[in-house]
This record gives sequence, structure tokens and C-alpha cells, in this order.
Amino acid sequence: AQTVTQSQPEMSVQEAETVTLSCTYDTSESDYYLFWYKQPPSRQMILVIRQEAYKQQNATENRFSVNFQKAAKSFSLKISDSQLGDAAMYFCAYRRSGNTPLVFGKGTRLSVIA
Amino acid sequence: DVKVTQSSRYLVKRTGEKVFLECVQDMDHENMFWYRQDPGLGLRLIYFSYDVKMKEKGDIPEGYSVSREKKERFSLILESASTNQTSMYLCASRRPGGYEQYFGPGTRLTVT
Repeated sequence: AQTVTQSQPEMSVQEAETVTLSCTYDTSESDYYLFWYKQPPSRQMILVIRQEAYKQQNATENRFSVNFQKAAKSFSLKISDSQLGDAAMYFCAYRRSGNTPLVFGKGTRLSVIA
Repeated sequence: DVKVTQSSRYLVKRTGEKVFLECVQDMDHENMFWYRQDPGLGLRLIYFSYDVKMKEKGDIPEGYSVSREKKERFSLILESASTNQTSMYLCASRRPGGYEQYFGPGTRLTVT
């Protein structure tokens, strides 16, 4: 079974600084997708960024970027120029290709200090 | 805009009651999912459905059942609610082959 591990239950970052959230996963599949979701206090889950395993280039969305290391099965999220609105729970998720459900990690709670 | 709605934001039920959590999506998505979210445990999959009248067990189906009579609606049923089912319940939908899974706002259920 596929598993997703987020080893940092809580992280904090100063406003305008950079922070990296870690995620590792376990799979024997070669074709899959990885995601980072954000859950602010409103509880609404928001997709932050996704990465297709077949793509070597790391995905980037504005201030959010990933470091995808396929051989190491690592998928970290970097948030640059952190803002107060970035404070939330962040979930790493995996899905193998095909009509399959997402598997989530346990989450990392990010605090942003003004 | 894709919209996934859940019938209640907060719900309080008594032990032994039958509980229905409703989820409706307006984007004609075939795939729908129910997750349970608990502190320190992340999101765990209860049931999912790839089409009307189809259902598949997730990782923690015990104590739950589901119903999907129409494509847009996916209901989670607690046949006899217990205190250990106090949790946040999140519904989601996705089109086949789609990347993004869209979530509802969640229902925080308390069983007393």
C-alpha cells in the first residue's frame, strides 16, 4: 500500500522568509501524481501545487515550488516570501495514475510570525 | 467554478442515532469521495464512488455506509453513531483523469 509521510507536525516561519515542508512517500508504481493541499482555518482544502512523476522539471506556482526527488521518493514544498495568509495546515498527497483516490500524509501546521 | 457542498457545517447527534451526511457537486464529476479528518491522523478515506450506484471501500469503512443514487449526490451514512465517530468529514469530487480533487467545506460531527 502506498504511504505518505510528513515528518514535521508543526513549523513556523517569519513573515517574508522562506520555509520548506518535507514529504516522503512509498510506492512501487512508476506513474503517479503528487500534490500539496492547503487547509486554512476556514477548513476549505485548496490545491497549492501538483507534480506529475514523469516530469523531471520541478513544478512552480508563484511563491510555491517543489523539490521532487523521484529516486529518493521525496517531495518537499518551498514557500518563498511567506505571508500571514500562508498560515494553515499543509497536506502532502499521492495518487497513482488511473481512477484512484488520493492518499494523504498527516499534515504539517505552518505558523507565520509577523 | 466547481462547487462541492455539504449539508451541514456542524452537526450534533446522540449515540445510536442514524446519521446522514450529504454531499452534492455541480460539475458532473463521476468520482466522489468521503474522508474523515482527525488531528494527527490527516485525512483517511472512508468510501469512494466512480459512478452512480457504484461504491468502493476505503481504508476505514467500518461503521459507515454510502449511497449514490444520482451522479451529483454522494451520501455518507452512520447506521448507529458512536462517540468514536466524532470527527470532521470531508467530501470531494473529481472528473476521471482529472488532476484536481475538489473538496467541500467539511462537516464537523459531534456524537454525544
